[in-house]
Amino acid sequence: EAGVAQSPRYKIIEKRQSVAFWCNPISGHATLYWYQQILGQGPKLLIQFQNNGVVDDSQLPKDRFSAERLKGVDSTLKIQPAKLEDSAVYLCASSLEHRANEQFFGPGTRLTVL
Amino acid sequence: GNSVTQMEGPVTLSEEAFLTINCTYTATGYPSLFWYVQYPGEGLQLLLKATKADDKGSNKGFEATYRKETTSFHLEKGSVQVSDSAVYFCALKGAGTALIFGKGTTLSVSS
Repeated sequence: EAGVAQSPRYKIIEKRQSVAFWCNPISGHATLYWYQQILGQGPKLLIQFQNNGVVDDSQLPKDRFSAERLKGVDSTLKIQPAKLEDSAVYLCASSLEHRANEQFFGPGTRLTVL
Repeated sequence: GNSVTQMEGPVTLSEEAFLTINCTYTATGYPSLFWYVQYPGEGLQLLLKATKADDKGSNKGFEATYRKETTSFHLEKGSVQVSDSAVYFCALKGAGTALIFGKGTTLSVSS
C-alpha cells in the first residue's frame, strides 16, 4: 500500500514570496491533515479536511495560509506572503473516516524562508 | 486546554541499555495516548497507543502504560539498539479534538 506522498521535499524562498505544498493521501482515506512542525517542537495541526470539507482550521493563520482539497483526494497548502517564522517542516497525514486515532504521516516538506 | 510534557533530550545510551522517556499529560475527559517515532530522514510513524486507563501499548519491544492516577504514559524498552536512534513524540487526542504532540525527545544509541 502506497503511503502519503508529499512534494516538494525541500523548498527555500525569500520572505514575502509565496509557496505551495502538495499532498496525496493514502487511497481511500477520507480525512486529511496538515501539520506545521517548527524545529525543536512537536507537530501542530493547521487544518483538517473530511473529504473536501474543512473540519478544523482554528490554528491556521488565515491571513497568509490557505488550503484546499477540491476533489476530496489530494490537497494543496499555500503560504502567501511567507514570513521568516514560517520556516518549518509541513507534514501531511491521512486517516480513514472516523479513525483519527490512526493517522499516517507523509515525509514532510522542509521550508526555509530567508 | 490539553497538553503534553515530555522529558527533554537528548538521551544518549549504549546499546542494550534500558530506556525510559517520561511523558505526562493534562487533559479533560479520557484522551487516547500515543507514542510516535521519527527516524532520520523519514516521516512520523505510530509506535504504540493506549485508549483507556491501565491499557498497555507495545510494539517493537517498546511499552507504555496509560496511568490515569499519575497522568503519565512513559515509554520504556528493556534493551535498546543502535537502530532505535530517532526522535520520539508523546501525543494525546481527546474526543473531537486535534492530536496534540509533545516537543519530542531525541534518542541516540551508540554501539
